[in-house]
Amino acid sequence: KQEVTQIPAALSVPEGENLVLNCSFTDSAIYNLQWFRQDPGKGLTSLLLIQSSQREQTSGRLNASLDKSSGRSTLYIAASQPGDSATYLCAADSNSGYALNFGKGTSLLVTP
Amino acid sequence: EPEVTQTPSHQVTQMGQEVILRCVPISNHLYFYWYRQILGQKVEFLVSFYNNEISEKSEIFDDQFSVERPDGSNFTLKIRSTKLEDSAMYFCASTLLMAVGETQYFGPGTRLLVL
Repeated sequence: KQEVTQIPAALSVPEGENLVLNCSFTDSAIYNLQWFRQDPGKGLTSLLLIQSSQREQTSGRLNASLDKSSGRSTLYIAASQPGDSATYLCAADSNSGYALNFGKGTSLLVTP
Repeated sequence: EPEVTQTPSHQVTQMGQEVILRCVPISNHLYFYWYRQILGQKVEFLVSFYNNEISEKSEIFDDQFSVERPDGSNFTLKIRSTKLEDSAMYFCASTLLMAVGETQYFGPGTRLLVL
């Protein structure tokens, strides 16, 4: 069964800093890996999807990388802003299907 | 921008009662999913659905749960006899295809509280 782990569990940074969130997964035979943002009590907003054949994806200040062989993905946030404060979730499927397996998330606080 | 919608946003029910959670997937999407998130825990996959059949299901999705596409727009999750441990946020998601490169789009969730 695919297990997804995210480190750190929580992170607090001052506004303007660049930061990296880490995700690891146990089954490297994935089709897709998705990064989501979750605000308190709210739904999941898809940020980036990386296909198994890709190494990275970029959207604005966000860049996600994928190293399938080592079972790792990172989400890089450039020039963080207070509005980036949220929980960031990593989710990977496995070669048994497209169901997403989620990590517990990294709770990010960006202070002004 | 098209989005997944869910109703109700909150539901409170008594243990043993049946509940139906409703979702309207993005209109041209063909694959539908239910996930749940117990407070403070990971989001967990329940079931995926295509062409009026279950494609995948997790061990959580037992005989107490069922899914249905009753018409061309709605996708429902029914819990026959709710238990206290069914209290969670339930998310619906949809994709156009079930394939590499397909983003799963999630709805805002229904918060279910079983008393």
